[in-house]
Amino acid sequence: GQQVMQIPQYQHVQEGEDFTTYCNSSTTLSNIQWYKQRPGGHPVFLIQLVKSGEVKKQKRLTFQFGEAKKNSSLHITATQTTDVGTYFCAGRVGAGGSYIPTFGRGTSLIVHP
Amino acid sequence: GAGVSQSPSNKVTEKGKDVELRCDPISGHTALYWYRQRLGQGLEFLIYFQGNSAPDKSGLPSDRFSAERTGESVSTLTIQRTQQEDSAVYLCASSPDGTDSYNEQFFGPGTRLTVL
Repeated sequence: GQQVMQIPQYQHVQEGEDFTTYCNSSTTLSNIQWYKQRPGGHPVFLIQLVKSGEVKKQKRLTFQFGEAKKNSSLHITATQTTDVGTYFCAGRVGAGGSYIPTFGRGTSLIVHP
Repeated sequence: GAGVSQSPSNKVTEKGKDVELRCDPISGHTALYWYRQRLGQGLEFLIYFQGNSAPDKSGLPSDRFSAERTGESVSTLTIQRTQQEDSAVYLCASSPDGTDSYNEQFFGPGTRLTVL
């Protein structure tokens, strides 16, 4: 079945450093979503990318969708302690029918003050 | 407005007992999902409801797991004869219409199930 691989599994950074998590699929995705889960919390939707090569920004967060629509990345500039959490990508293969995204295993970001 | 709610928030049960978990989606959301999240792991899809269509049960790990949804409202996930490996957080999410154009998922706080 479809797999969505996400790396790294963990990332420790000093506050102020940048952070990037990568998401890769074995098949072309119709779209990709990113979620953030704070420790002890539930996933919260961040953004959805649909177009090939799309780049979207939310303050210090930059999201990219690859040209082939098989990979995506989330980059955080100048991390803050409030960025701590696990970031999940969720990709969907094909279009139409049931929308059931496949989640990556997530990247846990630990920010040291 | 009110988000997705789940109950109970915590459930401790003995191996072999049945449990029922409840999810109240956001009003008007036609799509509803159940996921399982083991400690430190990602989200494992269990089942998907979309309007009045037949549910997609492709993620249910065994026939001990079942779920129902009343129209486009509350859903219950039932686990029969619980096993220790069922211990996890069970997350419910709803989505406005579950199509490509509008499928942001809103997650509930989850039910933490512990099977002794």
